[in-house]
Amino acid sequence: NAGVMQNPRHLVRRRGQEARLRCSPMKGHSHVYWYRQLPEEGLKFMVYLQKENIIDESGMPKERFSAEFPKEGPSILRIQQVVRGDSAAYFCASSPMGSLRTDTQYFGPGTRLTVL
Amino acid sequence: QKEVEQDPGPLSVPEGAIVSLNCTYSNSAFQYFMWYRQYSRKGPELLMYTYSSGNKEDGRFTAQVDKSSKYISLFIRDSQPSDSATDLCAMTGNNYKLTFGKGTLLTVNP
Repeated sequence: NAGVMQNPRHLVRRRGQEARLRCSPMKGHSHVYWYRQLPEEGLKFMVYLQKENIIDESGMPKERFSAEFPKEGPSILRIQQVVRGDSAAYFCASSPMGSLRTDTQYFGPGTRLTVL
Repeated sequence: QKEVEQDPGPLSVPEGAIVSLNCTYSNSAFQYFMWYRQYSRKGPELLMYTYSSGNKEDGRFTAQVDKSSKYISLFIRDSQPSDSATDLCAMTGNNYKLTFGKGTLLTVNP
C-alpha cells in the first residue's frame, strides 16, 4: 500500500519564481491537509481540502499562496513570487474521513523548499 | 503564550531507560491528543492517540492526558536506539486542524 506521496522531495527556487508542490493522498483518502515546518518551529496547519473544495484555509498566508485538490490528480500547493522566508519543509497529510474520532492524518515525506 | 509548549531538548538517554516527554497547552478546547515521531528528513508518523483525559498504553508507550492541568505526557519504557528521533505532541479540538509542539529531539545510546 503506497503511503502519501509528495514531489518533488527537494525544490530550489530563486526569489520571485513560482513553486508548485504536489501531494497524492493514500488510496481511498479524500481529505488532504497541508502543513508547513519552518526551521526551529513546529508544524503549522495551512489548509484543509476535499476533492474540488477548500474547507479551511485559515493557516494560509493571504497573498501568494494557493491550494487546490482537483477531481482528478494530486493536490497542489502553489507559492507565487517566492521569498527567502518561504524556505521550509511542506508536509501533506491525508485521511479517509474528516473526523479525528475515526481516522488519523497520515503524513507524506515532505517537500523541502529552498529559496535562494 | 504559545498554544502548545514542548521542551525541544535534546534528551540523551542510555538504552533501556524510561523516557518521559511532556507538553503543556493553553487552549481548553483541545480534546484530541497525539504523539507523532519524526525521523530525520521524514514525515511525522503517529505513535499514540488519546481522547480527553486519562491514560492509554500501547506496548512500550504510555500516553497520559490531564486536561485539568492542560498537561500531556508520553512515557517510553525500555528505550531502544531505534527510538532516536524527534517526538512531537499534537492536539486539536475541531477534529482536523492539528496544533503541534516544536518536538523533543531524543537520542538513545546503545
